[in-house]
Amino acid sequence: EIVMTQSPATLSVSPGERATLSCRASQSVNIYLAWYQQKPGQAPRLLIYAASTRATGIPARFSGSGSGTEFTLTISSLQSEDFAVYYCQQYHNWPPITFGGGTRVEIK
Amino acid sequence: EVQLVESGGGLVQPGGSLRLSCAASGFTFSDYWMTWVRQAPGRGLEWVAKIKQDGSEKYYVDSVKGRFTISRDNAKNSLYLQMDSLRADDTALYYCARAQWQHLYDYWGQGTLVTVSS
Repeated sequence: EIVMTQSPATLSVSPGERATLSCRASQSVNIYLAWYQQKPGQAPRLLIYAASTRATGIPARFSGSGSGTEFTLTISSLQSEDFAVYYCQQYHNWPPITFGGGTRVEIK
Repeated sequence: EVQLVESGGGLVQPGGSLRLSCAASGFTFSDYWMTWVRQAPGRGLEWVAKIKQDGSEKYYVDSVKGRFTISRDNAKNSLYLQMDSLRADDTALYYCARAQWQHLYDYWGQGTLVTVSS
């Protein structure tokens, strides 16, 4: 099973600032990495897939990068609606599909 | 509009059973892999099971193998999760999700809560 580790657990950012979230895989997942956003009381929303491709309707301020075992989600200028929990997911080696533990982005 | 609506959750004693349902609409259900993902209270996401378009392939996380069964009825646009021998650590909000390209979950329901407790 591939273990996904996200850091930091919590990120405190001021609106308008850049947020950089990390995700590390216990073994290579090539580019088979997705990012999801989850707001309180809501289901997750797909943001990024194939490490760097934005899903339909996702604003350009969200970008993903990386390959192999190291990945980054960057939010270029945080908006109020971006404060949420973000999860990475690998889909290279399955079953099982595995998610990271999440990074909470909170208002500084 | 794509909609996924889960039902069937509730309070059950350890060792008991529940059957979750997910009613799909707004898309051709039989064209997509479908999956169940759960989230324990205050915790992260855990993939549980997935099923191929025609039901011919099913996959499970190890912790539920032999206890949970995923199934679908394409004529009814419905996904199911039969959960037997439930344990306290199965307590979670259970989401059904549509899988784009098999592994990417582009639409989710709002979840149904399963609580396993005596």
